[in-house]
Amino acid sequence: DTEVTQTPKHLVMGMTNKKSLKCEQHMGHRAMYWYKQKAKKPPELMFVYSYEKLSINESVPSRFSPECPNSSLLNLHLHALQPEDSALYLCASSQTTASYEQYFGPGTRLTVT
Amino acid sequence: GEDVEQSLFLSVREGDSSVINCTYTDSSSTYLYWYKQEPGAGLQLLTYIFSNMDMKQDQRLTVLLNKKDKHLSLRIADTQTGDSAIYFCADDAGNMLTFGGGTRLMVKP
Repeated sequence: DTEVTQTPKHLVMGMTNKKSLKCEQHMGHRAMYWYKQKAKKPPELMFVYSYEKLSINESVPSRFSPECPNSSLLNLHLHALQPEDSALYLCASSQTTASYEQYFGPGTRLTVT
Repeated sequence: GEDVEQSLFLSVREGDSSVINCTYTDSSSTYLYWYKQEPGAGLQLLTYIFSNMDMKQDQRLTVLLNKKDKHLSLRIADTQTGDSAIYFCADDAGNMLTFGGGTRLMVKP
C-alpha cells in the first residue's frame, strides 16, 4: 500500500466555522507533512511531524492547528479562516524526515466563504 | 534562500519528445526530484536523481543533471496525451523540499 488518503476531497466553510482535514497513510512512514498550494503555484510547506512530534512550523497562523494522533494519522484543524486561505491542502509522508522521497495525497480543495 | 526556477509552459505534439528544464541555486542537495501533478490531483513522484549522478533513465523518462551549471532536465520520450500535466522539479537542500514554479506540459494530438 503506497497510498496517502485525504478527506474530505472538497470543503466549503464560512469564516466562523471550525472544520478538520484528515490524512492517513499505512506505509509505516514516520514523517508527515502539510502543504498549502494556491492555483498555478508550487506547494508551500506548512508543518512537518517527525515521530508524531511537530518538528517544523513554517510560521503558519494559529488559525491552522495540526495534530498527529498516531503514526498513521495527521489532522489539520481549521478555525476562523479567511477567504485567502482558500487553496488545495496537500498531505505527504516519507519514511523519515531524512528521506525526501515524499508521497502525496490527492489533497483537499478548501473554499472559505 | 534556495531558488528553483522552471519555464512556465511547454507544448509538444503527441509522439515527440518533451524536455522540461529546471535551474537551482543551492548545490548542497542530496537528491533532485521530478513530480507530476494532474488537474485537481496531488503530486506524483516520477523520478529522482542522486546529486553525484549525471543521468538516470527510467523507461520513457531521462533525467540529466549538470551540477556545475546547477541545471536539471526531464526528457519524456514518445510523449502521450496522458502526459499532459504540471511538472515540478524539487531539491532537498536545507533538509526540506523546495519546489520550482512548475511547467505546464500540453500535448497536442
